[in-house]
Amino acid sequence: DAKTTQPPSMDCAEGRAANLPCNHSTISGNEYVYWYRQIHSQGPQYIIHGLKNNETNEMASLIITEDRKSSTLILPHATLRDTAVYYCIVRAVNSGSARQLTFGSGTQLTVLP
Amino acid sequence: KAGVTQTPRYLIKTRGQQVTLSCSPISGHRSVSWYQQTPGQGLQFLFEYFSETQRNKGNFPGRFSGRQFSNSRSEMNVSTLELGDSALYLCASSSPTGETQYFGPGTRLLVL
Repeated sequence: DAKTTQPPSMDCAEGRAANLPCNHSTISGNEYVYWYRQIHSQGPQYIIHGLKNNETNEMASLIITEDRKSSTLILPHATLRDTAVYYCIVRAVNSGSARQLTFGSGTQLTVLP
Repeated sequence: KAGVTQTPRYLIKTRGQQVTLSCSPISGHRSVSWYQQTPGQGLQFLFEYFSETQRNKGNFPGRFSGRQFSNSRSEMNVSTLELGDSALYLCASSSPTGETQYFGPGTRLLVL
């Protein structure tokens, strides 16, 4: 799987949009971008994923650049409960190691009141 | 639809004992993967089961084993526990298309 680079920490004011960047310059054509988050000592929570088009669901939006070398996860109205470590992963879905996820260090997002 | 469930949520054992952890995947999911998460090593893949067969295995000693039942529920066993086995053990089930893994809440194991 391609390596990702994320800032170690970010702060966001409650009610504002949180924009979390991720660089994945070595991404391959068949690799998707996935985002998970993990609140302290809980299991990781799936947020969203995409291949090349922008995606939106009830939790967040995912913006992938045209060259696919970077992406941004957007939480439109951050709440205190969004404080967590956010992991950006790239992986090929249909590969032998597709279900062997590896998380990097992630970004610690702190939502401030 | 209910999420992935894991039991027990917390466990305290002593060195040399063995432990069995249980995971029930999301209904309809046939693939179950197990992970160990520690502050120092991060998330590490243990093994994956699909239709009662181990499909992939990570780089862990033979003390770590698992199995999957016909209803897709899975168990993992750790024998001869060591202090370093203290960790959060996570189970994840994969959607039928294999695109997405959904994690359970984890079992926090403390080995004394």
